[in-house]
Amino acid sequence: DAGVTQSPTHLIKTRGQHVTLRCSPISGHKSVSWYQQVLGQGPQFIFQYYEKEERGRGNFPDRFSARQFPNYSSELNVNALLLGDSALYLCASSLGLVSGELFFGEGSRLTVL
Amino acid sequence: GQQVMQIPQYQHVQEGEDFTTYCNSSTTLSNIQWYKQRPGGHPVFLIQLVKSGEVKKQKRLTFQFGEAKKNSSLHITATQTTDVGTYFCAGNAGNMLTFGGGTRLMVKP
Repeated sequence: DAGVTQSPTHLIKTRGQHVTLRCSPISGHKSVSWYQQVLGQGPQFIFQYYEKEERGRGNFPDRFSARQFPNYSSELNVNALLLGDSALYLCASSLGLVSGELFFGEGSRLTVL
Repeated sequence: GQQVMQIPQYQHVQEGEDFTTYCNSSTTLSNIQWYKQRPGGHPVFLIQLVKSGEVKKQKRLTFQFGEAKKNSSLHITATQTTDVGTYFCAGNAGNMLTFGGGTRLMVKP
């Protein structure tokens, strides 16, 4: 069975641009969460989506947005990129809404120049 | 908001030595999870603890959840080079999982 897949794996953007990151959860998983991991730190929670609705939001500015599609895949959008947005963006899927085991994808490494 | 702290930040050990990382939450948790992230990899789930005072073992790894459900520890007996990586605790209060900063374990063969 395929695990959580994310695309792209690496990308480079310049300040002010926007980026869209994509995630496909494990088949049967209805919850997708997004995390930002800055080098040397733990993952920071950005969003959780369950059944296509936002169910949780971390302490991130409105430049960050996300959505979940009917097939449970998800997109994370970041507008007006800042240098500080450079990080590994991790998508995690889980079976249900209440946090159980998270299955992480390999991540999308974003570099903002 | 909820904060989860981990100590130490780094630990160098000689292969065969034991290793312990500690996790403390600013709020009472409904459960705590532990993850391992190898260098260049993504976090991989190790275990979830739910009950106050719970102790679980996985081979050389022992996980504990404090009586007050605000702290936890991971102990590795007789480390091996395959144990290298960063160990994260993640506390669950409500729907949001808050990760600690991690303890990076380095093992000298």
